[in-house]
Formats: sequence, structure tokens, C-alpha cells
Amino acid sequence: EIVMTQSPATLSVSRGERATLSCRASRSISRNLAWYQQKPGQAPRLLIYGASTRATGIPARFSGSGSETEFTLTISSLQSEDFAVYYCQQYNNWPPAYTFGQGTKLEIK
Amino acid sequence: EVQLVQSGAEVKKPGESLKISCKGSGYTFTSYWIGWVRQMPGKGLEWMGIIYPGDSDTRYSPSFQGQVTISADKSISTACLQWSSLKASDTAMYYCARLLSRDGYNLAFDIWGQGTLVTVSS
Repeated sequence: EIVMTQSPATLSVSRGERATLSCRASRSISRNLAWYQQKPGQAPRLLIYGASTRATGIPARFSGSGSETEFTLTISSLQSEDFAVYYCQQYNNWPPAYTFGQGTKLEIK
Repeated sequence: EVQLVQSGAEVKKPGESLKISCKGSGYTFTSYWIGWVRQMPGKGLEWMGIIYPGDSDTRYSPSFQGQVTISADKSISTACLQWSSLKASDTAMYYCARLLSRDGYNLAFDIWGQGTLVTVSS
């Protein structure tokens, strides 16, 4: 079973600054990596899939990079609405697996 | 509008059975896998399993195999998650979500239901 590890657990950043969130897979997952945003009391929202493809309607300030075992979500120029918890997820069709990381809480500094 | 609408919150006692639902609309329900995701209070997301409503092909996460049953009724565009005997540890928010697919390959969960809160307490 592939284990996804996110760091840091909590990230404090000021509005307007850049945030960089990391996700590591316990073994290679190629580019089968997605990122989600979850705000309190809401369902998660898909931001990125295929490691770097933005989902429909996602602003360009969100970007993803990486491959194999190391991945990064970058949010340039943080807006108030970006403060939330972010999850990475690896996906594999066979055997089916859609394992999430434990999350990174992005808070206002 | 593409959406998944889940059934309402439930309060149950340990040992009781439960079935919650997720109704899809705005797209061809039978052409996309639907997954279920658990979120325990204050915790992260856990994938439980997926189902293809077109033929009810179902796959479970090893962590949830035998603990829950996932089903679908394509005639009413609804997927379901059920328990035969609830435990207090089943208390959580449960989300259904649609799997985005490209060229026959399942990717990420692109459309999410609003969640169903299940509380199990004596």
C-alpha cells in the first residue's frame, strides 16, 4: 500500500505571499497525483489532477508540479479564501487505490 | 448543473443498520465511477470504495472491505453506502464523489456531494 505524507502539518503564511505545500509518496506514482482544498464545513474541492493540470474553474494562482514520489502545490499571492486544509491524493486504477495524505492546514500568519 | 446530492444526517444506536444515499444529476450517471470517502471528526479523508453504476462493478479499499456495502440503482441515478451493524467508531461525515475519467483512466474525484453526517451513540 502506498503511503502519502504531507508536510508541513501546518503552514502559516501572510496574505499576498506564496505558499508551498509538499506531498511525498512511499513509492513512485508517476504523475497520478491530485490536490484538494477543504474549508470548514464544506466538502473537498478538486484543484489539481495529473500532478499539474488545474481542474475546471480553478484560478491560475494554484499550480502543481512533481512526479514519481515528490510533489508540490504552490499558491502564489495568497487570497483570504485560500486559507483551508489541503490534501494530496494518489490514484491508481489497478489495483484501485485513491489514498489521501493527512493534510496540510494553511493558516493566516 | 452536475451535482451529487446526499441524504440527510442520521443518528443511530450501536448495532443498528443504516443505508445512506447519493443521487447524481446533470450528467450520465452510468458512465462515471462513484466513490465514498470517510472523514472522522477532526480528521483527514479516507477512501472507502468505488462503484460503476453502469454494471455495479464495485471495488473496496482493504481498510473497509467487509465493513460496509456499496451499491447503486441506475434506474434512479443513486449510489448507496450501507452498514449492517453500526459501531460508535462509524461516527463520521461520509462523502460521495464522482471520479473524473480521461481516455478510460480514472483520475481524481471532481464532483462531491455535500456530505452525510452519521452519528452512532447509545
